Amino acid sequence: GESVGLHLPTLSVQEGDNSIINCAYSNSASDYFIWYKQESGKGPQFIIDIRSNMDKRQGQRVTVLLNKTVKHLSLQIAATQPGDSAVYFCAEKTKYSGAGSYQLTFGKGTKLSVIP
Amino acid sequence: GAGVSQSPSNKVTEKGKDVELRCDPISGHTALYWYRQSLGQGLEFLIYFQGNSAPDKSGLPSDRFSAERTGGSVSTLTIQRTQQEDSAVYLCASSVEPSTDTQYFGPGTRLTVL
Repeated sequence: GESVGLHLPTLSVQEGDNSIINCAYSNSASDYFIWYKQESGKGPQFIIDIRSNMDKRQGQRVTVLLNKTVKHLSLQIAATQPGDSAVYFCAEKTKYSGAGSYQLTFGKGTKLSVIP
Repeated sequence: GAGVSQSPSNKVTEKGKDVELRCDPISGHTALYWYRQSLGQGLEFLIYFQGNSAPDKSGLPSDRFSAERTGGSVSTLTIQRTQQEDSAVYLCASSVEPSTDTQYFGPGTRLTVL
């Protein structure tokens, strides 16, 4: 089946630097993408989302970029802080025709470690 | 409560036993999802509820897995005759409607099958 994957399994950045986490997706029919942050022992926490009719969306210290041509998604975190240390998952939402249901397909995650 | 809650937070069981995992979605959320997260892995979709019905059961790994939802609220995921490979964190999420995109996750239940 189609899947979402990540380029880098681990990423270490210095506190204050910018972080970029990448994700490749394979389902060209996906119309919605989400980034989740998961801290140890907790469930995934919504960070930011983007629809396929957009190529960039900004939040507080985070920016998501979508390149549909190469089916690539990235999460940029500005001025990375120790509290940003977590595993980050990208997910794509695909509607399944007939069933009318929606499913999120997650990548394996990238672990971000912030060096104080 | 304001968020999705799950119980128990941890469950240790012996191989062959049945377990029930509970999820309380955010009040008013009609869509409810179950996922499984194995160690170091991403989230694997299991089943989705729209109200009390489950239009998509495609992710259930075997017939030992079942889930139900009553009253459009609480859901239970049941695993019969547990196997060691069932050990994982089971996460529940809810959203306002199935077509509403943002899913809010609970803290998960860590299941360990000895």
